[in-house]
Amino acid sequence: QQQVKQSPQSLIVQKGGISIINCAYENTAFDYFPWYQQFPGKGPALLIAIRPDVSEKKEGRFTISFNKSAKQFSLHIMDSQPGDSATYFCAATQGGSEKLVFGKGTKLTVNP
Amino acid sequence: DTGVSQDPRHKITKRGQNVTFRCDPISEHNRLYWYRQTLGQGPEFLTYFQNEAQLEKSRLLSDRFSAERPKGSFSTLEIQRTEQGDSAMYLCASSLISGFNEQFFGPGTRLTVL
Repeated sequence: QQQVKQSPQSLIVQKGGISIINCAYENTAFDYFPWYQQFPGKGPALLIAIRPDVSEKKEGRFTISFNKSAKQFSLHIMDSQPGDSATYFCAATQGGSEKLVFGKGTKLTVNP
Repeated sequence: DTGVSQDPRHKITKRGQNVTFRCDPISEHNRLYWYRQTLGQGPEFLTYFQNEAQLEKSRLLSDRFSAERPKGSFSTLEIQRTEQGDSAMYLCASSLISGFNEQFFGPGTRLTVL
């Protein structure tokens, strides 16, 4: 059973465009939702994270939108750049368990 | 470099051999995690330590896998009698005990079992 469902599997965006990646979850006990960026051959790097007591968090060009009632959250990358081309993973965890549960990833390609 | 380090970065072994990987967390991080990532998938949790205590283990961690963190600093992950299905990237992460579960990952060890 996949606890965090991520879509789309791949995404192609033009430079300067907005990239949007969506995740949905079932476990209402989840209380921490990070996004990770991974380049080929590298480990995942923490990008931005949110807790369910806020509906949006912005850091530079990256924004997380969170909809608690729909059990969905999304990553928006504004003004996408070729250097943003990577695989993005959403994840979730719940208090009392420190393990992160990851989505399957979205491969983002930003064309120049 | 003060990030999480892992050694070796690549390991090729024959089926049936034992392998051991090492992870050095960010200094002062008291939590250490092991994940496994196969091609095209997100990382899957294997186990985690708080200081030297192993507090949670995944069902993915079969009897052939063992992890240790003897002095609450570095950790080792050993796989005995490797199988081809063990081929994956093994990732280590660390974090502080705090209200935020910010886990920082190392570069991983890529294991290939022939």
